[in-house]
Amino acid sequence: NAGVTQTPKFQVLKTGQSMTLQCAQDMNHEYMSWYRQDPGMGLRLIHYSVGAGITDQGEVPNGYNVSRSTTEDFPLRLLSAAPSQTSVYFCASSYDRTGNQPQHFGDGTRLSIL
Amino acid sequence: SQKIEQNSEALNIQEGKTATLTCNYTNYSPAYLQWYRQDPGRGPVFLLLIRENEKEKRKERLKVTFDTTLKQSLFHITASQPADSATYLCAPRVNSGYSTLTFGKGTMLLVSP
Repeated sequence: NAGVTQTPKFQVLKTGQSMTLQCAQDMNHEYMSWYRQDPGMGLRLIHYSVGAGITDQGEVPNGYNVSRSTTEDFPLRLLSAAPSQTSVYFCASSYDRTGNQPQHFGDGTRLSIL
Repeated sequence: SQKIEQNSEALNIQEGKTATLTCNYTNYSPAYLQWYRQDPGRGPVFLLLIRENEKEKRKERLKVTFDTTLKQSLFHITASQPADSATYLCAPRVNSGYSTLTFGKGTMLLVSP
């Protein structure tokens, strides 16, 4: 049972480059979300999705795009990487968005922007 | 504004003692509150969920309390072990337009043999 799988685990980019962080879950969860975790800031919500074809912005969405074409996959795209986007990115999934269900996290992508 | 506070300083205790971690929140009344454990280089892992109508929840050596009057949750680990060393995050359910859970910054627990 894989749970939530994130790829790549590490990535170094140059300013201005674009890339996609992949996230897949095999639990048939409707709710998926992306967080970034920075020292002293805790986990901050970037974008979330309540089902295939439905996405919305979280607390810190600028510079990021998402799409949800299937229940399983929820990729996060950086359109033009900036040093301020250096962070650890976590994808999470849950049965629903009520907060009454546990969230399952991947092990993160550590991203450095030079 | 809505705020979640967890002790930023690490909690150091000896093996066998009870660890108590605090989560305070202001300016909202969450219906649910969850606790997670995060190890270095790993994603958070769910531990316990407590609802607003529950005063206490237990799971093995873990106990969570939820005081909606004080706007506080306490997380206890009894008979602590070095393997319990990790960062513990509280996550109240926020009734905002976009979020389900809002995470505190976490408290690091260090259990020494």
